[in-house]
Amino acid sequence: DVVMTQSPLSLPVTLGQPASISCRSSQSLVGVNGNIFLDWFQQRPGQSPRRLIYMVSNRDSGVPDRFSGSGSGSDFTLKISRVEAEDVGVYYCMQYTHRPHTFGPGTKLEIK
Amino acid sequence: EVQVVESGGDLVQPGGSLRLSCAASGFTFTTAWMNWVRQPPGKGLEWVANINQDGSAKYYVDSVKGRFTISRDNAKNSVYLQMNSLRAEDSALYYCAGWTSGSSYWGQGTLVTVSS
Repeated sequence: DVVMTQSPLSLPVTLGQPASISCRSSQSLVGVNGNIFLDWFQQRPGQSPRRLIYMVSNRDSGVPDRFSGSGSGSDFTLKISRVEAEDVGVYYCMQYTHRPHTFGPGTKLEIK
Repeated sequence: EVQVVESGGDLVQPGGSLRLSCAASGFTFTTAWMNWVRQPPGKGLEWVANINQDGSAKYYVDSVKGRFTISRDNAKNSVYLQMNSLRAEDSALYYCAGWTSGSSYWGQGTLVTVSS
């Protein structure tokens, strides 16, 4: 199975400051047709997860544009341009280029 | 309004069976890959299984292959997870999630506890 790693695992951020989370896969996520199937999810405290980004860099409907995704191959990044209080929670990357789908361990974002 | 509602979670003994159900509304169910994702209390997410739009393709995490079966009924906008030979390590909150290009839809989860 593809192993997903994230760093940092804990991310204290000052309100209004940027934040960045790294996600790396144990093998390339480039599929046979060149697509990369890497998504980002947010789970706020006490809530169900929701997807923020699909296929590396595409924002889901309703996701604020302060969230952005980038990356290639086996190295990916989620960036928040200016952290707001509602961004507190755990962020997961997940690959589905290879079966089975696998999640990263999660990065806990908190406000300093 | 989008609704995804899971049911069927319960306390079950090791070796027992459960059938989880998920009823969806408010989005075009027949365009969505439907997934089950689980989360043990206080831990991270684990993808369990999914099924494509017409039910012709089904995939599972290795740890549940041969024990769990995913299915869907597009006439009822529902997806199911039949879980047999349950183990303690299957204990978790099970989320039903529909994924399309541009949107994802998640329920609140149903709790499965496997214990004697």
